[in-house]
Parts: sequence; structure tokens; C-alpha cells
Amino acid sequence: DAGITQSPRHKVTETGTPVTLRCHQTENHRYMYWYRQDPGHGLRLIHYSYGVKDTDKGEVSDGYSVSRSKTEDFLLTLESATSSQTSVYFCAITPGGADTEAFFGQGTRLTVV
Amino acid sequence: GIQVEQSPPDLILQEGANSTLRCNFSDSVNNLQWFHQNPWGQLINLFYIPSGTKQNGRLSATTVATERYSLLYISSSQTTDSGVYFCAVDFLNTGFQKLVFGTGTRLLVSP
Repeated sequence: DAGITQSPRHKVTETGTPVTLRCHQTENHRYMYWYRQDPGHGLRLIHYSYGVKDTDKGEVSDGYSVSRSKTEDFLLTLESATSSQTSVYFCAITPGGADTEAFFGQGTRLTVV
Repeated sequence: GIQVEQSPPDLILQEGANSTLRCNFSDSVNNLQWFHQNPWGQLINLFYIPSGTKQNGRLSATTVATERYSLLYISSSQTTDSGVYFCAVDFLNTGFQKLVFGTGTRLLVSP
């Protein structure tokens, strides 16, 4: 158990509504990441954070924003959800620093109808 | 472009058999990891192995960075080894980890 909790675990929402996913860690690690996983693909990086209020874009950041006001929480927001954002979202941490092993949360399954 | 290719895409084994999974990558890496995604969707880190060889029980991994490939060996497979195995690499030494995942090898171990 890497001490990562994602919430909610499952969510169904309507097109055009805002959605926020939460990633909570218990160990105050500096680096946190959001990935999405779609059928036929591995995971793809959305955004990452290297400290409180320090975030940057990943490979597939369009349509997503993030915030990190506390070390332990990294929030992913879909401002206006679209069907193409139906996916499984994973949060990750790298406790040993940026260039070390990654540990993933349990995932959040989001369906946009 | 940047590519991570895994082979085979699918593998079916009888319990007790051995297997080798391969990951080829298109450029130099400073980070390579192997993950197992179990049938419940949980991602488990198996190895952090940018170069060299590591072993953990029945699993071992070797990365030959100069030839741009990594191998994951599973010996005496068990039904609990079923799932999808992902290779993930970080091509850029930016100080921030930006893993690029392969599309995975789906393994089914039958009793």
C-alpha cells in the first residue's frame, strides 16, 4: 500500500458538467501525477506536480486542469466533461524523487454520458 | 517519434510454464519500469530497472540500455500472474518523471 487514496472510485456524469477527482497521499511526498488509461492504450500522463502550487502539463492535458494547495492533495478537474474523457484515471507518486519508482492509486472509473 | 513497443501482445500459458516479455524503446532512457495490472485494475510496480538485471522471486528483469530493450522473465507461472504487463520509460532527463507506457502484454495463465 503506497498510501494513495483516490476518490471517488466510480462516477457517472453528464456531458458539459464539471468534475473533480481527488488524489490524497499520507506521506507528504513532493511529486504527484495524473494519468488516464483507455482501451488499447497504456497510461498517458495528463498533469504532474512537483510541489504545492507547482504543476505542469503532460502529454494529454487539453480539457483538464489541476490544483495542489496542500502537499497531500492533488486535484484533477474536468471543467466541462466530454464523452472523450470517459476513462480510468490513475494518480501516482514517486516517493524517492522524480527519477524513481512510481506507485499508483486504485484508479477512478469516470463515465461521461 | 517516441515509441515503446511490447511483445507479444497476448500470451496464454499453462500453470508452471516460463515466459519472456519484451519491451523495445526508440531512444535513450533514464528510467524504465515494469508494472503488472491485475484483473481488478490495480497497477503494481514490479521493477525499476533503467539498466542491468534484477530479480524478485519468480520474476526477473534485464535492461540493455545501449540496445534499447528490456526483458521481463516469469518462471513457474501461476494463475495469479494473469493480467497485463506494462513497460514504461522516461525518455527525457528533465528532473520530472514523464512515463511513456507501452500498450502492454496480456497474460493468461490457466490451471
